[in-house]
Parts: sequence; structure tokens; C-alpha cells
Amino acid sequence: DAKTTQPPSMDCAEGRAANLPCNHSTISGNEYVYWYRQIHSQGPQYIIHGLKNNETNEMASLIITEDRKSSTLILPHATLRDTAVYYCIFGRAGANNLFFGTGTRLTVIP
Amino acid sequence: GAGVSQSPSNKVTEKGKDVELRCDPISGHTALYWYRQSLGQGLEFLIYFQGNSAPDKSGLPSDRFSAERTGGSVSTLTIQRTQQEDSAVYLCASSFGGSGYTFGSGTRLTVV
Repeated sequence: DAKTTQPPSMDCAEGRAANLPCNHSTISGNEYVYWYRQIHSQGPQYIIHGLKNNETNEMASLIITEDRKSSTLILPHATLRDTAVYYCIFGRAGANNLFFGTGTRLTVIP
Repeated sequence: GAGVSQSPSNKVTEKGKDVELRCDPISGHTALYWYRQSLGQGLEFLIYFQGNSAPDKSGLPSDRFSAERTGGSVSTLTIQRTQQEDSAVYLCASSFGGSGYTFGSGTRLTVV
């Protein structure tokens, strides 16, 4: 299984940036970094993915280190609705078995 | 459809009975995946379809579990002779090419 390392939990004040780290030291050259989140009682939701360049979309930014062994998901202005478990995963594009692990439980505090 | 649809959303069954869980992927998505998630746990991969074929069945936990996909669309996950340890949320996802997975809301299975 392609495993990543994430802190089990984090808190963030509402309105502040949430920076969620992930280590993926065994990633290979053709594997992407994907981030998903799972809000209680819902299926996981795709957030963003990247190969080596930093990426930004309407939900978040993804910063990947130059050696690609770690990345950070940034939620620029966290809201209470961002409270969820965030999963960092890596795999080839179209990979048939993304290993989700246990993720980081982010709690946004009012 | 607009998203991945799973049915039923909740299923309570007696131990030893068979159950069928259905997944309607996003139209045009060629890949379909089944995962399950026990309470408080991460996602456990079960099976993957590319079109109608399942090149990777490695995650099925026992021979009581089977899955099929017809017409490159709807998939059914069948659990025979259900056991209490089968209780979990069963999640289906679909994707196309290198896009991220789109998950359904899952089927919560409770075996009593």
C-alpha cells in the first residue's frame, strides 16, 4: 500500500489559514498527490491534486516540496464547514487503488 | 447523472442473509471503485472496475463478497451469508482518466 504520514488531528481558528502537512517519502516520479476530505456521514470529496507544481483551485492550494516527499494543503480562510477528516494520498493518474489511510481530523474553532 | 448514486442509503439485515448494494456512477466514467469504511476507520479498498472487467479483486475480504458491473455503468456489490463484521458504510466512487474520484454518499449496512 502506498502510505502517507499525516498528523491525526489539528485545530484551526475560523477565518485563519489551515495548513495540513503530509509526508509521502516513497512517492515515485509518475505518481500524483491527491487530497480528499470527508465530512461526517458523507462520502469523501475530492479537493485537489498535483504532480510537482503548486496547484490552486476554488477550494484550496497545494504546495509540493521540490523533492516531492511532502506537501501541504492550504485552506486560506477556514470556515466551520471545513471541519472534516482530510486524506492525503499518492498514486498514478487513473490508479485503481488509492490507499486512504486515517487522515487528519481538522476541527475549525469559532 | 450529476453525481454517483448509491442505493439503498441504509440497509439492516439479519445475519446469514444476502444483500445487494447498488452503485450508479457518473455517466461516462469508465472506472468504478468500491470501498468500505468501518466506524471510526479509514477507507478499505474492495474492488475496482475498468469498464465491465475487474482487473483488481485483491481487496475483497472473503469469497462471500462479489461484484459485477454491466454496460460499463451500474455496479452491484453482493455479500452472501452476511456476518456482523460486515457492518460498515460501503462507498462507491467513479473516475475518468486521471481525474479525482467522485464518491457517492454510501450505503450504511448493519447486520444484526
